[in-house]
Amino acid sequence: DAKTTQPNSMESNEEEPVHLPCNHSTISGTDYIHWYRQLPSQGPEYVIHGLTSNVNNRMASLAIAEDRKSSTLILHRATLRDAAVYYCILRDVYGQNFVFGPGTRLSVLP
Amino acid sequence: DAGVTQSPTHLIKTRGQQVTLRCSPKSGHDTVSWYQQALGQGPQFIFQYYEEEERQRGNFPDRFSGHQFPNYSSELNVNALLLGDSALYLCASSLSGAQETQYFGPGTRLLVL
Repeated sequence: DAKTTQPNSMESNEEEPVHLPCNHSTISGTDYIHWYRQLPSQGPEYVIHGLTSNVNNRMASLAIAEDRKSSTLILHRATLRDAAVYYCILRDVYGQNFVFGPGTRLSVLP
Repeated sequence: DAGVTQSPTHLIKTRGQQVTLRCSPKSGHDTVSWYQQALGQGPQFIFQYYEEEERQRGNFPDRFSGHQFPNYSSELNVNALLLGDSALYLCASSLSGAQETQYFGPGTRLLVL
């Protein structure tokens, strides 16, 4: 699986938008971009995933660069409950498991 | 609908012992994956079970073995425990198709003394 690079940590203020970047310059044409997050003392939970087009769901939006070498997870209004480690992961279209990196630790300030 | 459940929640063992961790998948899911998460790191894939067979395996020694039962629940066994096996062990369930979302349980915290 191709590798991703994320900042170690980020801070945001409550109720403000948060943009979490992810670089994946070696992405292949069959790699999907997945985002999971892990709240304190919990297992990871699915946030969003996409291939080429931008994606929206009730939790977040995923903006994918035209060359697919980077992507950004957007939380539209951060809440204290969004404080977590966010993982950006590439998985081949036929892939069955995830290769997690260290992720980005997001702190949300009241 | 109960999500993925794991037992026990916490466990303390000594070096050389053996341990069995258990996982019940989300209702309707037929595939179970196991991950090991050391403190401060992301989860590392151990193996995945589908139709009671190990379908894929990560870079873990043979001391790590598993089993899937006809009801899709699964066990992770670790023999000859080492101090370095201390970690959070996560179970994730999914449907068998490609790109299916994995749903993670809360994990079992194993401490090896």
